[in-house]
Amino acid sequence: QKEVEQNSGPLSVPEGAIASLNCTYSDRGSQSFFWYRQYSGKSPELIMFIYSNGDKEDGRFTAQLNKASQYVSLLIRDSQPSDSATYLCAVRGGSNYKLTFGKGTLLTVNP
Amino acid sequence: GAVVSQHPSWVICKSGTSVKIECRSLDFQATTMFWYRQFPKQSLMLMATSNEGSKATYEQGVEKDKFLINHASLTLSTLTVTSAHPEDSSFYICSARDHRKGSTDTQYFGPGTRLTVL
Repeated sequence: QKEVEQNSGPLSVPEGAIASLNCTYSDRGSQSFFWYRQYSGKSPELIMFIYSNGDKEDGRFTAQLNKASQYVSLLIRDSQPSDSATYLCAVRGGSNYKLTFGKGTLLTVNP
Repeated sequence: GAVVSQHPSWVICKSGTSVKIECRSLDFQATTMFWYRQFPKQSLMLMATSNEGSKATYEQGVEKDKFLINHASLTLSTLTVTSAHPEDSSFYICSARDHRKGSTDTQYFGPGTRLTVL
């Protein structure tokens, strides 16, 4: 059974700091990796996706992928209180388009 | 681009009634849509994959006769919760696969429908 593991948190960081969110997955055949942000009571919003090993940067967000270690992370630089949300890691296999979600990490950015 | 809508955003119904939820891709055609359910403080649980013009594929443990899915067009999928009971109260979220050329080929989520069954 495919599994995606995340630390449930809460992860608390001060405003302006770097928040580091981690995710591991069990299926070595996974090919695509996504980070979604979900505010309380709202639906998930896509933040970033990454397909290749290494880093991918988009504004204050950096996704990192290490397929050998089956590990993907999200760094948020200059964290803002508006970044406070649950961050969901999602993994997609190669043969279908279903996403397997982790349980999410609750991030709190303190002013 | 890649905007997905859902209707209604919330619904309250009596036990035993049926509720229909619509999911629309507004600016792209989606041959594949997905239906999720999320209970409080839990992650998303995939219920079924909806394919345009064919039967939906349900995840293990999801009753296909209770959760009826229709994907009659490239922009619309519907989920009908039949004979709803209080334990069906949840946040139902759809997503649509954007596989247009040049897109990320990922899922974009609708805003969700909060169902409360009395």
